[in-house]
Amino acid sequence: DTGVSQDPRHKITKRGQNVTFRCDPISEHNRLYWYRQTLGQGPEFLTYFQNEAQLEKSRLLSDRFSAERPKGSFSTLEIQRTEQGDSAMYLCASSLQRDTGAFFGQGTRLTVV
Amino acid sequence: GEDVEQSLFLSVREGDSSVINCTYTDSSSTYLYWYKQEPGAGLQLLTYIFSNMDMKQDQRLTVLLNKKDKHLSLRIADTQTGDSAIYFCAESIDDYKLSFGAGTTVTVRA
Repeated sequence: DTGVSQDPRHKITKRGQNVTFRCDPISEHNRLYWYRQTLGQGPEFLTYFQNEAQLEKSRLLSDRFSAERPKGSFSTLEIQRTEQGDSAMYLCASSLQRDTGAFFGQGTRLTVV
Repeated sequence: GEDVEQSLFLSVREGDSSVINCTYTDSSSTYLYWYKQEPGAGLQLLTYIFSNMDMKQDQRLTVLLNKKDKHLSLRIADTQTGDSAIYFCAESIDDYKLSFGAGTTVTVRA
């Protein structure tokens, strides 16, 4: 399967713990995105990488969130000191240039208890 | 997502056509997209249309764009039970990120 891969698919964590998610984009895609989706809503943009450079971070991404894409391939999203409000589906997407559209992974569903 | 609006629900009989409507606000959007999401899954890119086009057809899917009214629609011909899902309209912002609507839940009844 050469699609966007995310790991883990599900994560349950206690409030205050740190969590890290991984995304492996489609191999030739230089653009990588993270989105967050809560129940009954569409995905909301969090951050964007072009190769290894993080070019934009949404206001939704508080100081507890950090994303990296160290070699311009896979990416990680870390949430420190998780809160119940962080419970959501975290979606990763990748693309070549805008005209091909972004291709999404299956998402990581985070539940903070 | 509040800049993109969609009706929340659509019920359609199997074999009929479905039409999902969307309005967007960013007149500079270069591309507009339709995505499909099945329960517990990620988003599947269905189709997209460039802003200088009025219509795009791809098998059972027809996209209509009225740029003057900032209105986008997706028509699914011969709707099947496998088409039951949530459909999201999205506009491109700044040529790289997407702004999504809240999604239209399509239910196909026998």
